[in-house]
Amino acid sequence: RKEVEQDPGPFNVPEGATVAFNCTYSNSASQSFFWYRQDCRKEPKLLMSVYSSGNEDGRFTAQLNRASQYISLLIRDSKLSDSATYLCVVKVKSVVPGTYKYIFGTGTRLKVLA
Amino acid sequence: DAGVTQSPTHLIKTRGQQVTLRCSPISGHKSVSWYQQVLGQGPQFIFQYYEKEERGRGNFPDRFSARQFPNYSSELNVNALLLGDSALYLCASSLGGTGIGEQYFGPGTRLTVT
Repeated sequence: RKEVEQDPGPFNVPEGATVAFNCTYSNSASQSFFWYRQDCRKEPKLLMSVYSSGNEDGRFTAQLNRASQYISLLIRDSKLSDSATYLCVVKVKSVVPGTYKYIFGTGTRLKVLA
Repeated sequence: DAGVTQSPTHLIKTRGQQVTLRCSPISGHKSVSWYQQVLGQGPQFIFQYYEKEERGRGNFPDRFSARQFPNYSSELNVNALLLGDSALYLCASSLGGTGIGEQYFGPGTRLTVT
């Protein structure tokens, strides 16, 4: 089982639609959680951190469920420019005290259609 | 302010050769992480350095090594290149320490091994 799992998609949605992505993680020692956006052949860009209480940034809402070990991203009123791959990232404590590693999911492709 | 910079942008090497990739973090950031991203996959964590010390290591062979300099820039070295090392190598910087760890990526170095 992968440490961080995402549905690779693609999710094809019309402009204006609401779309949700889920991500599950296996390591209960996971400390921090993030969503990144990656455009084709570009570097990932931080979209938002995910907090236990949930957080919102404009049309984007992120939720964390520690008990079920999943993270979600909701995009409302989708725009053509939202078309990208969305990467779920988990920061995990490593075996050596004081060290960490960042685990990325494979990403979920979103295509917003006119 | 300049973002994360990486050099070179593209590189072609042959099997068995060695390669050095370079990264300069965002000014004020003390932590640098390295990732390998092959097509269709999320970035795979290789190393994290903070204050010139290794603070995290992914599941990569000893052919991969890195270091961080007093000015917080970093180099990733890969020895005895294999065809499977062909990938986009990404560097990410963060403020570092044990904080939430939001990372910001550079544009990457695209390595092709022939």
